[in-house]
Amino acid sequence: DAMVIQNPRYQVTQFGKPVTLSCSQTLNHNVMYWYQQKSSQAPKLLFHYYDKDFNNEADTPDNFQSRRPNTSFCFLDIRSPGLGDAAMYLCATSRGQGHNVLTFGAGSRLTVL
Amino acid sequence: EDQVTQSPEALRLQEGESSSLNCSYTVSGLRGLFWYRQDPGKGPEFLFTLYSAGEEKEKERLKATLTKKESFLHITAPKPEDSATYLCAVHQNTGGKLIFGQGTELSVKP
Repeated sequence: DAMVIQNPRYQVTQFGKPVTLSCSQTLNHNVMYWYQQKSSQAPKLLFHYYDKDFNNEADTPDNFQSRRPNTSFCFLDIRSPGLGDAAMYLCATSRGQGHNVLTFGAGSRLTVL
Repeated sequence: EDQVTQSPEALRLQEGESSSLNCSYTVSGLRGLFWYRQDPGKGPEFLFTLYSAGEEKEKERLKATLTKKESFLHITAPKPEDSATYLCAVHQNTGGKLIFGQGTELSVKP
């Protein structure tokens, strides 16, 4: 089945130790998104790629970076995680701008000690 | 400021007890309103898209409706497997991104 796969599902890191979360998709969708979701809160868009074009949300901290080396893969790098960065990180894809039905991965839950 | 607000935050129902979840929105131009279901520890799963006031969509025990200011997700005769968090999201005309509400956590007891 075509899908969005996130790894790892659970990540524990120490305060300040860099973390990379990965997302792969077999849907051949143009757009890939990274959302941050804290407990009982709305998913918050961090950034998205339309093909190779990177779009950063204005309030996304510099601590968060992303890479999309090809259509299928996208990475979220957290350079120096703080306690406030503990959250579920959701990757999603869509066919293109104007096609906003998002297909989400299962998420990566980040714990910061 | 564009905003999406869902109510109630949590809803507990007995199996078979029908109810509705509300999503009210203020956005500068609506391109679409989306409902997603999210199970604990998982990513949201798409349910419905609504584009214009008066539109309705149905899927099993769920029915979504849309007015100019809000959307309702009606749940008829719910079962325990309907327990989940239901998220509403709005696609703006300008900017083009989805704005999510905080969700309604539904619990259906047998």
